[in-house]
Amino acid sequence: TQLLEQSPQFLSIQEGENLTVYCNSSSVFSSLQWYRQEPGEGPVLLVTVVTGGEVKKLKRLTFQFGDARKDSSLHITAAQPGDTGLYLCAGPDRGSTLGRLYFGRGTQLTVWP
Amino acid sequence: DAMVIQNPRYQVTQFGKPVTLSCSQTLNHNVMYWYQQKSSQAPKLLFHYYDKDFNNEADTPDNFQSRRPNTSFCFLDIRSPGLGDAAMYLCATSRAYDRKQPQHFGDGTRLSIL
Repeated sequence: TQLLEQSPQFLSIQEGENLTVYCNSSSVFSSLQWYRQEPGEGPVLLVTVVTGGEVKKLKRLTFQFGDARKDSSLHITAAQPGDTGLYLCAGPDRGSTLGRLYFGRGTQLTVWP
Repeated sequence: DAMVIQNPRYQVTQFGKPVTLSCSQTLNHNVMYWYQQKSSQAPKLLFHYYDKDFNNEADTPDNFQSRRPNTSFCFLDIRSPGLGDAAMYLCATSRAYDRKQPQHFGDGTRLSIL
């Protein structure tokens, strides 16, 4: 069972375009994290959203946590080739105090110059 | 400045030949994790340590073992690698008790099986 569904799985766009990727669940999460993973490297945390309805901005990236804390979105404005990577959302296991995370399958983004 | 270091970055081994992957951290974090990640898939948690307490995932094959001799180091041992074990293996750390804290990942070891 995949608790976190990410869509689309693959996205290929031209430099300068805008895009949105989604992370959806039927479960409520106390928080969600977004990571970016570049080829040959480990995931790097971009942001953690905690409050329902919260919006966080990181330069050209805008993250939103759904009001019901079951979904999140990542919007990139004017994408650049440096944005290329695998975007993973992850949420904590409510039954664990040890920071165990459930990961989505990720969205593989390619931005062409 | 790397805080979670995995060695080697690439490992090739033969079918059935034991292999050990290593991870070290300079963050002094209590929790260390091992994940397996196959192409276009989410990282899959194999097991994790809180200090010396070992927590195995229910679906982790017995073929996979781990050791944590001290806070800084953690090892993944694959006793008899099969072709299906070819993957990227990621080590991560976090502080305990705060699930909002990020996990800090190493750059992974890509394992190939001949």
